[in-house]
Amino acid sequence: GIQVEQSPPDLILQEGANSTLRCNFSDSVNNLQWFHQNPWGQLINLFYIPSGTKQNGRLSATTVATERYSLLYISSSQTTDSGVYFCAASNSGYALNFGKGTSLLVTP
Amino acid sequence: DAGVIQSPRHEVTEMGQEVTLRCKPISGHDYLFWYRQTMMRGLELLIYFNNNVPIDDSGMPEDRFSAKMPNASFSTLKIQPSEPRDSAVYFCASNNRAGGLPHSYNEQFFGPGTRLTVL
Repeated sequence: GIQVEQSPPDLILQEGANSTLRCNFSDSVNNLQWFHQNPWGQLINLFYIPSGTKQNGRLSATTVATERYSLLYISSSQTTDSGVYFCAASNSGYALNFGKGTSLLVTP
Repeated sequence: DAGVIQSPRHEVTEMGQEVTLRCKPISGHDYLFWYRQTMMRGLELLIYFNNNVPIDDSGMPEDRFSAKMPNASFSTLKIQPSEPRDSAVYFCASNNRAGGLPHSYNEQFFGPGTRLTVL
């Protein structure tokens, strides 16, 4: 199946800072999603973005399908942004293959 | 919409016992997925269904695991007998693949998960 690699694995930010998380994938995709796993373990949908750019408040994401990568931007980070961010992709349109995640800690 | 519902949220059992996890997908969704999350292996697919029919169970670890979907609004994942290495968080997810076409919208939505501990 498709391989998904995320970087960096860990990130510590001070509140108010901006960050960029990267997701590389090994093949063309027809589904790419970003999730935030909060401290309670819930997987929260952030973006469904197999291609193009989307924005939602302080978060935005861009997928360049031809170059097989996606970026998640977090601006003006807040302590509530802490958690693990997962990128997941599929090239079959069915089951998602997950990366190992980026663990983000935002300090006051 | 209530979202994907899973029960129980937490389960603690002893080795050798039968465990049954339950999932109710989002109404109208025709795909249902079971994933497992562990520290060692991350998030991985166990099995998925389309219109209540199992399509791919290649991720099911061994014969101790079984999954059913008797109707469009209910699925179970059963482990019998359970072992300590089955301890993990089990997620159920669903989506509605609009039009059934390869490039159609197919965002997956996840339930809150069941945290299973086998002693």
